[in-house]
Amino acid sequence: QVQLQESGPGLVKPSQTLSLTCTVSGGSISSGGYYWSWIRQHPGKGLEWIGYIYYSGSTYYNPSLKSRVTISVDTSKNQFSLKLSSVTAADTAVYYCARDWCSSTSCYSDYWGQGTLVTVSS
Amino acid sequence: SYVLTQPPSVSVAPGQTARITCGGNNIGSKSVHWYQQKPGQAPVLVVYDDSDRPSGIPERFSGSNSGNTATLTISRVEAGDEADYYCQVWDSSSDPPYVFGTGTKVTVL
Repeated sequence: QVQLQESGPGLVKPSQTLSLTCTVSGGSISSGGYYWSWIRQHPGKGLEWIGYIYYSGSTYYNPSLKSRVTISVDTSKNQFSLKLSSVTAADTAVYYCARDWCSSTSCYSDYWGQGTLVTVSS
Repeated sequence: SYVLTQPPSVSVAPGQTARITCGGNNIGSKSVHWYQQKPGQAPVLVVYDDSDRPSGIPERFSGSNSGNTATLTISRVEAGDEADYYCQVWDSSSDPPYVFGTGTKVTVL
């Protein structure tokens, strides 16, 4: 059973960089076949896809966040990470990591982490 | 970007059938996936590729997709089905390609 677990600071100051790590167990990122996503949910709101990474390091970001987002992968630790720079209160949200099954015409998240609340405040 | 529209809320009595729609331009040409999210929990995939169910999801959950509307149907609704439901598609011609619907709150009366 694949499990994902987010970790990182729950409080970030405005203008600083939000950094989160997702640790994957029960499966290897480097085995390929899956993409690894970050998704967030503002309080009381819907889901927003941030971007994903393949084990090779190939990435795709939501254009609304692209200028501030970096997703990276560390296959030796079976982890992938999110960095979001220049954060404001509007980045306060629950951040989820997820495993994506993707084909040429379809992509969905079949396993999710429990989510971690990140609050941006001074 | 591609837009998916869902009704904000659906109410259903226990034992009845709930139908949640997801509207999008020519959505019938895309694969639609559905997630259930209970308060304080992460979303759970309940239907993928229009009508397939992951292991462990009850047969009461089913999906269909045609034209401009995809539908998640929950038969014999139980109190435990009360949750938010989101549709999602991957549209390679859109940016971002990974799009969620606006979400529907299902209330069991």
